[in-house]
Amino acid sequence: RKEVEQDPGPFNVPEGATVAFNCTYSNSASQSFFWYRQDCRKEPKLLMSVYSSGNEDGRFTAQLNRASQYISLLIRDSKLSDSATYLCVVNPRTGNQFYFGTGTSLTVIP
Amino acid sequence: ETGVTQTPRHLVMGMTNKKSLKCEQHLGHNAMYWYKQSAKKPLELMFVYSLEERVENNSVPSRFSPECPNSSHLFLHLHTLQPEDSALYLCASSQDLGNEKLFFGSGTQLSVL
Repeated sequence: RKEVEQDPGPFNVPEGATVAFNCTYSNSASQSFFWYRQDCRKEPKLLMSVYSSGNEDGRFTAQLNRASQYISLLIRDSKLSDSATYLCVVNPRTGNQFYFGTGTSLTVIP
Repeated sequence: ETGVTQTPRHLVMGMTNKKSLKCEQHLGHNAMYWYKQSAKKPLELMFVYSLEERVENNSVPSRFSPECPNSSHLFLHLHTLQPEDSALYLCASSQDLGNEKLFFGSGTQLSVL
C-alpha cells in the first residue's frame, strides 16, 4: 500500500469554480501534513501546512481528518494562475522521510 | 528565489560519463536532501544529511554518491548511470530534521543517453 495516495486528475475547471482535492495516508501515526504546489518544470513549493483544526489562507482551505486518515485542499474562486500540480505530503515522524503523493493536476480554464 | 540553488539546470550525459550535481542553500538550514522525481511517480527520497552527517540512504545504487562538505553545500556525484536514471533531481533543505517544511531548489533535469 502506498504511503500517500492522491487522485492524479486531471481536474479541468472553469475560472471562478470551487475545486477540492483529497489525499489519503496509510500511517495513522503521521504527525505533519502539507500541501505543496508544483508548476510545470519547476520545483515544488510549500502552499500550506495542514493543522488538526483546519486552516485557511485566502481562497485555500486545508483540512485534516485523522479518523479517516485523509487531508483535503479546497480552492475557492479558481484563478488561471492556480493551474499546477498539487502534492500532498505527509511526515510520519518516524525517521526522516517525507512521503509525497504523485500529485493532482489542476487546469483552470478561462 | 527559494534560497536553494542547484546547478546545472539541465544535464545530458552518456552512461560512461562522470558528472556532479551541486546544491547550495542560503537559508541557514541544518538538513539537506536529495530527491528524485520521475514522470508519474511520487518524489523519492535518496539521501538525507543533518549537520553534514548522512542520516539516511534509501537503498540508492552506488552509482549515485552524495557529498556534504558543510551544512550549506550538497553534491551528488554520478557515474556509469543508466537510461532509467533520467529524471528531475531535486535538492531540498529544512531548518532541522523532522517535521520541518522543505524548501526545494529548481532541480537538475538529467538525461542519460
